[in-house]
Amino acid sequence: ETGVTQTPRHLVMGMTNKKSLKCEQHLGHNAMYWYKQSAKKPLELMFVYSLEERVENNSVPSRFSPECPNSSHLFLHLHTLQPEDSALYLCASSQDGQPNYGYTFGSGTRLTVV
Amino acid sequence: GQNIDQPTEMTATEGAIVQINCTYQTSGFNGLFWYQQHAGEAPTFLSYNVLDGLEEKGRFSSFLSRSKGYSYLLLKELQMKDSASYLCAPYAGNNRKLIWGLGTSLGVNP
Repeated sequence: ETGVTQTPRHLVMGMTNKKSLKCEQHLGHNAMYWYKQSAKKPLELMFVYSLEERVENNSVPSRFSPECPNSSHLFLHLHTLQPEDSALYLCASSQDGQPNYGYTFGSGTRLTVV
Repeated sequence: GQNIDQPTEMTATEGAIVQINCTYQTSGFNGLFWYQQHAGEAPTFLSYNVLDGLEEKGRFSSFLSRSKGYSYLLLKELQMKDSASYLCAPYAGNNRKLIWGLGTSLGVNP
């Protein structure tokens, strides 16, 4: 496996369900990110982890709960979501101090809340 | 404030050259990324400009003018597979933040 891998690719969940999105990076990066991408809107940064410590939480509702157990894995735990949370959720990783190599994105999880 | 301005849509013909412009206003500017995103897929890294001037990478080149808050992406010898959205994203290194706009949707016609 190379790059950034996200599972599942697609997820349909009810408003009372609890689910988790998983992200794994095989690039040796030390920073990981969750982004939300909705139709007709720019990418929205949700959470940033650097060296497994959360350094950014962009006023995201508490129904989204991130977890970073180590520098290679990132989770987004979901509970009691709303239909407006339906979107593409993208994970990305980067190496702090080396932006010239860019941010590497996973293929995303297409989430539909019904 | 922070703002990014790119054309919403552009079309071009296979084999042609197209220039996608981007103007931005942001604080704490370190550099500027260009990403390509095909429909339903992840954004992929194209370039990162820190210094003024043109950087060439195969068929794609990116230009930056820091004083003017202006960048462009130049695509040569267009191919059908270049049909995608192109995202200009200024980078503020002190807080690891990329500022994203809506991007430019490029359609390449045969």
